[in-house]
Amino acid sequence: GESVGLHLPTLSVQEGDNSIINCAYSNSASDYFIWYKQESGKGPQFIIDIRSNMDKRQGQRVTVLLNKTVKHLSLQIAATQPGDSAVYFCAENISWRSQGNLIFGKGTKLSVKP
Amino acid sequence: DTAVSQTPKYLVTQMGNDKSIKCEQNLGHDTMYWYKQDSKKFLKIMFSYNNKELIINETVPNRFSPKSPDKAHLNLHINSLELGDSAVYFCASSQLDTANTGELFFGEGSRLTVL
Repeated sequence: GESVGLHLPTLSVQEGDNSIINCAYSNSASDYFIWYKQESGKGPQFIIDIRSNMDKRQGQRVTVLLNKTVKHLSLQIAATQPGDSAVYFCAENISWRSQGNLIFGKGTKLSVKP
Repeated sequence: DTAVSQTPKYLVTQMGNDKSIKCEQNLGHDTMYWYKQDSKKFLKIMFSYNNKELIINETVPNRFSPKSPDKAHLNLHINSLELGDSAVYFCASSQLDTANTGELFFGEGSRLTVL
C-alpha cells in the first residue's frame, strides 16, 4: 500500500493569500522528498525537493518543511496566484540515488479564487 | 523543443487489442520510466530503465512489456488490453548522478481508454 498521504484533498484559497499543502508519510527510512505540480492535461512538474538531513528548503515563492519526528511534509506557496491552481503531489524515496522509484501521495487540488 | 515526448496523446481501443505507446527524451538522461495515473490521480511507477537495462519492475501484469532500443527511447507495449488498463500513462526521465537534483522530467501523458 501507499505510505504517503495527504491531509487535505482539496484546498481553495484567495489570490494573494499563502497556501499550505500538507503531506504525511509513513516510511521512516525515506530520506528524500519531492513536491510536484500537475496542471490539467499535463505531466507532473518538479517544484522543490528536500533531503532528510534538512528541515526546511526555500525556492522562489515556495518553501518545503520537513518534520521527521512526526513524518510530516508541507509545501508553502507565498502570494498564491491563479497560475498556481493545479494538483500537488508529495513523493518520497528511500534513497535520492534511486529517485525514480518515487512513492507518490494522492494529491491535493489547489484552487485559487481571483 | 519538448524534453520528454510521448505518442499518442490519446488512444481509444477495444478490449483484447494490443497497443503501444512511444516515448523519447532529448535531455541526454540515462534513466527512463513509465508511470501509471489512475482516475483518482494516483501515480505509480511501473518500470524504470537505466542505459537500456531494466532496473525497476513493479508488480505489473506481464501483458505490459517495456522496450528500450536506446537510452533516449522507452516504449510501452500492452497486450490483450483490459478495461482496468484505462489510465493516463506518463513517461519520465532523469539523470542518476551526484549532481542530480532528483528531478524527474515527465512527458505530457498518454490517455488510454479501453472500451
